[in-house]
Amino acid sequence: GDSVTQMEGPVTLSEEAFLTINCTYTATGYPSLFWYVQYPGEGLQLLLKATKADDKGSNKGFEATYRKETTSFHLEKGSVQVSDSAVYFCAPSVSGNTGKLIFGQGTTLQVKP
Amino acid sequence: GAVVSQHPSRVICKSGTSVKIECRSLDFQATTMFWYRQFPKQSLMLMATSNEGSKATYEQGVEKDKFLINHASLTLSTLTVTSAHPEDSSFYICSANTGTGGNEQYFGPGTRLTVT
Repeated sequence: GDSVTQMEGPVTLSEEAFLTINCTYTATGYPSLFWYVQYPGEGLQLLLKATKADDKGSNKGFEATYRKETTSFHLEKGSVQVSDSAVYFCAPSVSGNTGKLIFGQGTTLQVKP
Repeated sequence: GAVVSQHPSRVICKSGTSVKIECRSLDFQATTMFWYRQFPKQSLMLMATSNEGSKATYEQGVEKDKFLINHASLTLSTLTVTSAHPEDSSFYICSANTGTGGNEQYFGPGTRLTVT
C-alpha cells in the first residue's frame, strides 16, 4: 500500500545552517507531493507542493524536487532561521483520486540562535 | 485564499457529555473535508472523509457512532464526539480540499479537547 517515510528528528541546527529533511514514499502511479509545517499549538500549513516528476516546489526559501526515479521529495533550505522551528510533515496523495493524503511521522526542527 | 477555520479552539468537557466541533471553509466551497486526530508528538491520524450531502467515510478502527460527522453545506462540516471519555482527549484537526488539481488540503487551526 501507499506509505511515506521521513527522517527521524529532532533536528537541531544553528541559525543560518543548511537544512535537509529526507522523505521517501511508495505509491501506485504518480502522486502529488506536499510538505506541510506545523507550528506549536497550531494546525498545518501548506509549505510547498509538486504535482509531477521533476517539478520543484518552493516557498519561503524552502525547496523540494519531485524525484520519480528515487521516489523522494526531500525538503531543503539554504539558511534556516529561528522562526523555522516547527514540525515538518511530508505528505503524498493517496492513489485513486480520493483526495486523501498520507502523512509521515513528522520531523521536529529546532533552530538555535 | 483557502482559509479554514475551526471552532472552538479549546474545549473542556465532563466525561459522558458530547462536544461539537465546527470546521468552515471561509473563502471557498469544499465538497470534501477531512477530520484528523493528533496525539502529542505524533503524526496525524485520518479519522474520516466528509462529503457534502452524503454520509462520511470512516477509516478502519474509528467508531462512527462515537464520532458523528455532518457535512451539511459546502462550507461547513461538524464533528460531534458523543459520550466523551478521557481517552478522547486529543487535538482534532479538520482540512478541506479545494477540488482543484493537486489534491492539496487546507487545514484548520485545530481544536484541543480535554475530557475530565
